[in-house]
Amino acid sequence: GQSLEQPSEVTAVEGAIVQINCTYQTSGFYGLSWYQQHDGGAPTFLSYNGLDGLEETGRFSSFLSRSDSYGYLLLQELQMKDSASYFCAVRGDDKIIFGKGTRLHILP
Amino acid sequence: EAGVTQFPSHSVIEKGQTVTLRCDPISGHDNLYWYRRVMGKEIKFLLHFVKESKQDESGMPNNRFLAERTGGTYSTLKVQPAELEDSGVYFCASSQGTSGTHYEQYFGPGTRLTVT
Repeated sequence: GQSLEQPSEVTAVEGAIVQINCTYQTSGFYGLSWYQQHDGGAPTFLSYNGLDGLEETGRFSSFLSRSDSYGYLLLQELQMKDSASYFCAVRGDDKIIFGKGTRLHILP
Repeated sequence: EAGVTQFPSHSVIEKGQTVTLRCDPISGHDNLYWYRRVMGKEIKFLLHFVKESKQDESGMPNNRFLAERTGGTYSTLKVQPAELEDSGVYFCASSQGTSGTHYEQYFGPGTRLTVT
């Protein structure tokens, strides 16, 4: 079967760095994406990794290791507005699969 | 550029009734997706259109759900008859390209469906 695993919740302090991990098991692999969703809002695209390595977009970075079927989202200089749910999503042979999301709590 | 829009934003219906959700993708986006999120659970894929054709409808839960995309523009998702377990937030998303640029999808605000 196909599955994605990510922690259900993570807590960090404002100004700190946090890493959200995602491991996947899919039939075929065409890339790992990350989305952010605030309460009551729509998921918004953050980043994409099609190849191994690190992709950086401002305070956010995303990493992929295809050999380990693993990726992570790194958020730096955390701000209160970063409090949200973060979803990893993988494109396999059949379709796009989303993880169950990681709820990020930020403490002042 | 206008984003993905969905209508209605909320819908409350009784079990056994019919509801039709509408999605207008970003102009020029060939790919259109429907997803559902039940409270606290994952965003679950329902189906994927490429223009007016159903590319993948493997996520559709059963034959009470019917999706159409006439003319390759907007799409509708009809639930008939609705059941209690159909409650959730239905998201529509779109992306450019026809060769699989699925990774950058733009989501609509969702339709919150409550079946009582």
